Amino acid sequence: GQQLNQSPQSMFIQEGEDVSMNCTSSSIFNTWLWYKQDPGEGPVLLIALYKAGELTSNGRLTAQFGITRKDSFLNISASIPSDVGIYFCAGGFGNNDMRFGAGTRLTVKP
Amino acid sequence: DAGITQSPRHKVTETGTPVTLRCHQTENHRYMYWYRQDPGHGLRLIHYSYGVKDTDKGEVSDGYSVSRSKTEDFLLTLESATSSQTSVYFCAISGGLSTDTQYFGPGTRLTVL
Repeated sequence: GQQLNQSPQSMFIQEGEDVSMNCTSSSIFNTWLWYKQDPGEGPVLLIALYKAGELTSNGRLTAQFGITRKDSFLNISASIPSDVGIYFCAGGFGNNDMRFGAGTRLTVKP
Repeated sequence: DAGITQSPRHKVTETGTPVTLRCHQTENHRYMYWYRQDPGHGLRLIHYSYGVKDTDKGEVSDGYSVSRSKTEDFLLTLESATSSQTSVYFCAISGGLSTDTQYFGPGTRLTVL
C-alpha cells in the first residue's frame, strides 16, 4: 500500500504563482520520481532523482531528493493554465518496488 | 514519450466473463508492470514481469493472471470479472540504467457490470 504522504492534497492558485508540493515517508528510498497525470491519461514522468541531495530542473519544474532519502519536493514556477492536473510522487527501493503518493490536484485560475 | 500502447482503451463487460488487457512496448525494456488506479487508493501493483515468461505477484494480484511470451507484450487476464475489478488499469515499463524509472501507458478503463 501507499507509504508516501503527499501534501497538499489539492491546491488552487492564480496563474503566475509558484507552487510547492512534497512527499515524505518513513522509508528510505533509492529513487524519487515525479509524475503528472491529466484526466483520462496515464502518468507522465516529469523528473527522476537518483541521489540524496540531488536538485534537478525540467523547464519551470524543480525537484529535490531529500538528504535523509525520506522526502522529496517539487516546485513549479510561474504557473500557467496547462499545469492543471494531478501530480504524483513515487519512491523506489531499487528493486522495481515502487510506492506512490496519493497525488496533489492542482487548479490554476487564469 | 515512451512507446507504450494499451488495448482496449475502454471496455464494458459483465460479471463472470473473462477479460484480457494488452500492453505493447517498443522500447525493448526488460520490466513490465500492471497497476490499477482507484480513488482513495492511488496506484497499486497487480503483477510484474522481469523477463519473457518471468512474472511475479504484486500487492493486489488475487483474481488476476498475467503472461509474457514476448519482450514487447504483457497481457493481464481477469479469469472471471467481478464488479470490484472495475478500475483504470495502467501498464508501465522500466529498464535501461534505472529499473526504478517507470514509464506508463495511456490506461484502460474497465467497467464490470
